[in-house]
Amino acid sequence: EIVLTQSPGTLSLSPGERATLSCRASQSVSSSSLAWYQQKPGQAPRLLIYGASSRATGIPDRFSGSGSGTDFTLTISRLEPEDFAVYYCQQYGAPLYTFGQGTKLEIK
Amino acid sequence: QVQLQQSGPGLVKPSQTLSLTCAISGDSVSSSSAVWTWIRQSPSRGLEWLGRTYYRSNKWYYDYAVAVKSRITIKPDTSENQFSLQLNSVTPEDSAVYYCARATVADIDYWGQGTLVTVSS
Repeated sequence: EIVLTQSPGTLSLSPGERATLSCRASQSVSSSSLAWYQQKPGQAPRLLIYGASSRATGIPDRFSGSGSGTDFTLTISRLEPEDFAVYYCQQYGAPLYTFGQGTKLEIK
Repeated sequence: QVQLQQSGPGLVKPSQTLSLTCAISGDSVSSSSAVWTWIRQSPSRGLEWLGRTYYRSNKWYYDYAVAVKSRITIKPDTSENQFSLQLNSVTPEDSAVYYCARATVADIDYWGQGTLVTVSS
C-alpha cells in the first residue's frame, strides 16, 4: 500500500500570500491517479485537482497542482479568506484509494 | 448535478451492525462510468477508504479494504437508485464520520453530507 506524507502539518500564512503544500508518496504514483481535496469544518472534502494538475469544475485558477513520481505540490497563488482549511492529497492504486494525513492552512 | 443523501443511525452498540444508505440523484447506481464508494474519517485514522461497487458489462463488482474485508458489505439497489453500507461486529474504533461518494476511477468528485456514527453502549 502506498503511503502519502503531507508537509507541513500546519501552514500559517496571511491572505494574499502564496501557499505551497507538499505530498510525498512512498512509491511512484501515476500522475493520473493523484488528486487534491479541500475540507472545511463540518463539511465533506471537495475535489480541487485531479490527474495531479487538472482543476475540477468550478475551482478558481489560483489553485494549481504539479509534480510527478513521488513528489507532488498544491499551490495557491494568492490566498483568499475562504482558502483557510485542511487540504488532503489522495492516490488511486486499484482497487484502493489512500489519503495523506492533511495540511492545515491557518490564518497567521 | 449529482447529489448524494445519506441516512442511517448515528449510534450503534458494540458488536452490532452499522447500516447506512446513500440515495443518488443526478446519476444512476448502474452507471457504466461511476464508482460508488464509502469512506470514513476519524481523528485517529484520518480519511480511510472502505470499499466500492460499480457496474460494468452487465455485472456488479465489489472491492473492499483489507482492514474491514471480513466485516463489510456494500450493496447497490437499482430499484431505489441507492447503495448501502453494512459493517458488522462494530467496536468503538469504528466510530467515525462516514461518507458515501462517487468516484470517476481515480478521484472522488461528489460526496454525501457525512454521518457521524458513534459506537457505544
